[in-house]
Amino acid sequence: QQQVRQSPQSLTVWEGETAILNCSYENSAFDYFPWYQQFPGEGPALLIAIRSVSDKKEDGGFTIFFNKREKNLSLHIKDSQPGDSATYFCAASVNYAQGLTFGLGTRVSVFP
Amino acid sequence: EAAVTQSPRNKVAVTGGKVTLSCNQTNNHNNMYWYRQDTGHGLRLIHYSYGAGSTEKGDIPDGYKASRPSQENFSLILELATPSQTSVYFCASGDFNTEVFFGKGTRLTVV
Repeated sequence: QQQVRQSPQSLTVWEGETAILNCSYENSAFDYFPWYQQFPGEGPALLIAIRSVSDKKEDGGFTIFFNKREKNLSLHIKDSQPGDSATYFCAASVNYAQGLTFGLGTRVSVFP
Repeated sequence: EAAVTQSPRNKVAVTGGKVTLSCNQTNNHNNMYWYRQDTGHGLRLIHYSYGAGSTEKGDIPDGYKASRPSQENFSLILELATPSQTSVYFCASGDFNTEVFFGKGTRLTVV
């Protein structure tokens, strides 16, 4: 059973629009939720992260909204640009030292 | 700048052969990780390490061994490679209150 689920699987937006990516999880013990961005042929790179004590985190044009009660979170990409076209992974951890559990990713395409 | 370097970047191996994937980090992080990435499965944790001399099983350790001879180096070993182990493998390093940095990946094909 997938412990971290992402939707949609793929998303197409126009330049300047806000892309919204969703993530939900099963394990109530998860307390750290990073989002990674991955381009073809590259490794994942940290985009933004939130801890479960917070309900919102902003960094540049990226915002995470977190709902602990519902066990879900979303990533908003404001003013999307073609360079934001990538696959985005939601991840979660209980203990940072024991690694991250990843969702299957959302492939975002931004058209000019 | 934090760096995780994997070698080789591409590898073709024969079924039943031994494969060693290497990873070096210059971040001085205590923790290192090996993941594999497959379409439909995302990234899955194979082994991880708390420091030199330590190796721990992740979520999918069967068929893999790991070795952490030093703070900087972490290897993934496939003693008897099988076609089901064809995948892209990522090494990563991280520490308390730091982000986890990933390498560029090794594409392994087992024929």
